[in-house]
Amino acid sequence: TQLLEQSPQFLSIQEGENLTVYCNSSSVFSSLQWYRQEPGEGPVLLVTVVTGGEVKKLKRLTFQFGDARKDSSLHITAAQPGDTGLYLCAGAWRDKFYFGSGTKLNVKP
Amino acid sequence: NAGVTQTPKFRILKIGQSMTLQCTQDMNHNYMYWYRQDPGMGLKLIYYSVGAGITDKGEVPNGYNVSRSTTEDFPLRLELAAPSQTSVYFCASGHKTYEQYFGPGTRLTVT
Repeated sequence: TQLLEQSPQFLSIQEGENLTVYCNSSSVFSSLQWYRQEPGEGPVLLVTVVTGGEVKKLKRLTFQFGDARKDSSLHITAAQPGDTGLYLCAGAWRDKFYFGSGTKLNVKP
Repeated sequence: NAGVTQTPKFRILKIGQSMTLQCTQDMNHNYMYWYRQDPGMGLKLIYYSVGAGITDKGEVPNGYNVSRSTTEDFPLRLELAAPSQTSVYFCASGHKTYEQYFGPGTRLTVT
């Protein structure tokens, strides 16, 4: 089993602050995805990173895949209340996905 | 554009009963997955399929069965329901292992 550890588990910040969420493993993945999940709904795909060292930007969100394809980070600049939700990372290996336990983000106005 | 649909949305089962959770996708995706999500946790893979007629076990397959007779449908069968199967179940599909599109989930309680 490929384990993915996410940190922090919980994050409560004020609107306008920056934050980084980490997703770490001792295993290599062929790709890594980040999802956001709202209460009572299914996860929604934010981004997929495939190449070691890859950096992708989605408006105020920056995603990075580690050089060795074992870890990833999600950085949010100037967080807004609309960013509130559960952020999940998922690594893909041999047709399977392995999810981290998630980071619950609360952005206060 | 329906995407991934799941039925039912909610269900309460008594211990020992059986049921089938339905999942249908209209995106012609080959890959389909079933997950369970316990409160405050990430998702655990139950079963997956890379195409019609092909299924394989994930991390937590015990107590469940699947079939994949068509590209569109991937039902999950629970036999002899147990309280440990109380969870939210999500179905997902994707073109390859670069993406997954999730359904809205089925909230199951076994009492």
